[in-house]
Amino acid sequence: QVHLYQSGPGLVKPSETLSLTCSVSGASMTGYFWTWVRQPPGRSLEWISYMLYTGRTNSSPSLKSRVTMSVDTSKRQFTLSLSSVTAADTAVYYCTRGNGWNDIWGQGILVTVSS
Amino acid sequence: IVMTQSPDTLSLSPGEGATLSCRASQTLPRNSVAWYHQKPGQPPRLLIHDASTRATGISDRFSGGGSATHFTLTISRLESEDSGMYYCQQYGSSVTFGEGTKVEIK
Repeated sequence: QVHLYQSGPGLVKPSETLSLTCSVSGASMTGYFWTWVRQPPGRSLEWISYMLYTGRTNSSPSLKSRVTMSVDTSKRQFTLSLSSVTAADTAVYYCTRGNGWNDIWGQGILVTVSS
Repeated sequence: IVMTQSPDTLSLSPGEGATLSCRASQTLPRNSVAWYHQKPGQPPRLLIHDASTRATGISDRFSGGGSATHFTLTISRLESEDSGMYYCQQYGSSVTFGEGTKVEIK
């Protein structure tokens, strides 16, 4: 059974960089897109970025200038970096597996941006 | 592409049926729409992809339909566990989610 687990700091200061890691267990990373989605408290879902196991990537136009993703298939991990964060970036961040649609989701990690 | 869901809230009794709507601001290629169910404190769960294909392990009480710019999720014989938020997503041109429909079971 495939499981995804997010890790990273739960509190980030304004203007700093948010960094999260997603660890994949139970399946190979090849053949899939690996995705980050976030959900501000009480609001809907927002797609951030996806990366194919080969490194091909695409990001939301509204976040593209601040987003960096990487994939390490040997470690079965992928990462998200979001720079210059503000309070508007406070959200639950999910890592997911998908090829368009997202069939496997991590439990999510709440990241709060505050000084 | 903007995805507009309606209604905002549905309040129904167990055993009834529900139809949720999702309209896209542009025609979606290849019926590239998915539906998710989310309960409080949990991640979304994939129900439907490619507009009408049920995900693995999803009950046949859930069915998806539609094409072009109008898509629907139908839930038959509602159960208490069906309560929560339902989101549509398009992946035909970049990725966007709708604002959600809240389903309440009386």
